Amino acid sequence: SQQGEEDPQALSIQEGENATMNCSYKTSINNLQWYRQNSGRGLVHLILIRSNEREKHSGRLRVTLDTSKKSSSLLITASRAADTASYFCATEPDRGSTLGRLYFGRGTQLTVWP
Amino acid sequence: DSGVTQTPKHLITATGQRVTLRCSPRSGDLSVYWYQQSLDQGLQFLIQYYNGEERAKGNILERFSAQQFPDLHSELNLSSLELGDSALYFCASSVYPRGPGMDEQFFGPGTRLTVL
Repeated sequence: SQQGEEDPQALSIQEGENATMNCSYKTSINNLQWYRQNSGRGLVHLILIRSNEREKHSGRLRVTLDTSKKSSSLLITASRAADTASYFCATEPDRGSTLGRLYFGRGTQLTVWP
Repeated sequence: DSGVTQTPKHLITATGQRVTLRCSPRSGDLSVYWYQQSLDQGLQFLIQYYNGEERAKGNILERFSAQQFPDLHSELNLSSLELGDSALYFCASSVYPRGPGMDEQFFGPGTRLTVL
């Protein structure tokens, strides 16, 4: 399977703490994207990191990518109760026939307690 | 709000029936993607259209079909519905072929299909 795999499956922290989620994948990629989903609702695009990038920041989000290990991490700093959601990584393979489509992992369920 | 719209939000129907899900991409996006999210399979890519043409196919059943119209909106048709087709169906759009900073896929709110 080309799907990403997130780790851990579930993460429970207190407000103010940092949350780190990891994603591993199997094939070479063009980019890796992180999404958030609140309770079975729509997917919100968080950040995209290209295969030639190693780190990217957006507000309280920090994403790293290690293509040699085929892994990525998403760090949410100073978490808030509103960050409670499922977080998915999605990879876009770099092969011609699969360009454009995204392969999703199963997600990490993050719960942030007030 | 991603700018991608999907209708209807919810659909409840019976086995054997046929339904049509509709998607309007973000303004300027030529590519539309359909994904299915179920408890069993997670989020799976179904099919991609680019400027009216089918571009790529994923795990889409033969009972399912899609099309993209000249105004770029897309429809996903699901026929001979089975209980296992109950899922959340997402449409996403992007500017494709890509240019610098244009790789992101933006998702609509989804259509929740329940087959009874």
